[in-house]
Amino acid sequence: DVKVTQSSRYLVKRTGEKVFLECVQDMDHENMFWYRQDPGLGLRLIYFSYDVKMKEKGDIPEGYSVSREKKERFSLILESASTNQTSMYLCASSPPRENYGYTFGSGTRLTVV
Amino acid sequence: GDSVTQMEGPVTLSEEACLTINCTYTATGYPSLFWYVQYPGEGLQLLLKATKADDKGSNKGFEATYRKETTSFHLEKGSVQVSDSAVYFCALSVNYGQNFVFGPGTRLSVLP
Repeated sequence: DVKVTQSSRYLVKRTGEKVFLECVQDMDHENMFWYRQDPGLGLRLIYFSYDVKMKEKGDIPEGYSVSREKKERFSLILESASTNQTSMYLCASSPPRENYGYTFGSGTRLTVV
Repeated sequence: GDSVTQMEGPVTLSEEACLTINCTYTATGYPSLFWYVQYPGEGLQLLLKATKADDKGSNKGFEATYRKETTSFHLEKGSVQVSDSAVYFCALSVNYGQNFVFGPGTRLSVLP
């Protein structure tokens, strides 16, 4: 069964820590995405990547960075975690075809204390 | 730009009631249309999709028809169950999957 795997379902980190959220897909998809989901704000795109070693800013990139060294792995990095980054983080992937849609991971619920 | 509008809810129904969640879109190209479902504490799962006008997507008793003339993709189910309680997202995709736009989501609660 093809899937997108996020390394942690729940994380608790302290303010100021550097946080790594990992996402791996086994579908050989070119496109990968990181979203955060907050009540009342829906899904907001943080960063995306259309190929290895490339990245593009989404709508809310501030305070985040990403890494895509291999096609199957897309990491989201919180350089210095803050309490306003407490959220549900969703990773998704897709092939370069508009009729395919995204495959999502199960999400990581991050709490910054 | 491209956008998706859907009723935000929450929608509360009794078991076996009929469901309609409205979704309309604006797009510069010819989009593919999707409904995703998110159960509590989970990521989003693809529920159904349609890729051209008049196509009907269906899955698990849910249906939606791609209406180009009204730029709509309303989600329907004839008889909802408690297990259908979730958040439903309408979405569109253009530009070879590189531009994916989600609606705000509609929370559905089904009471026994």
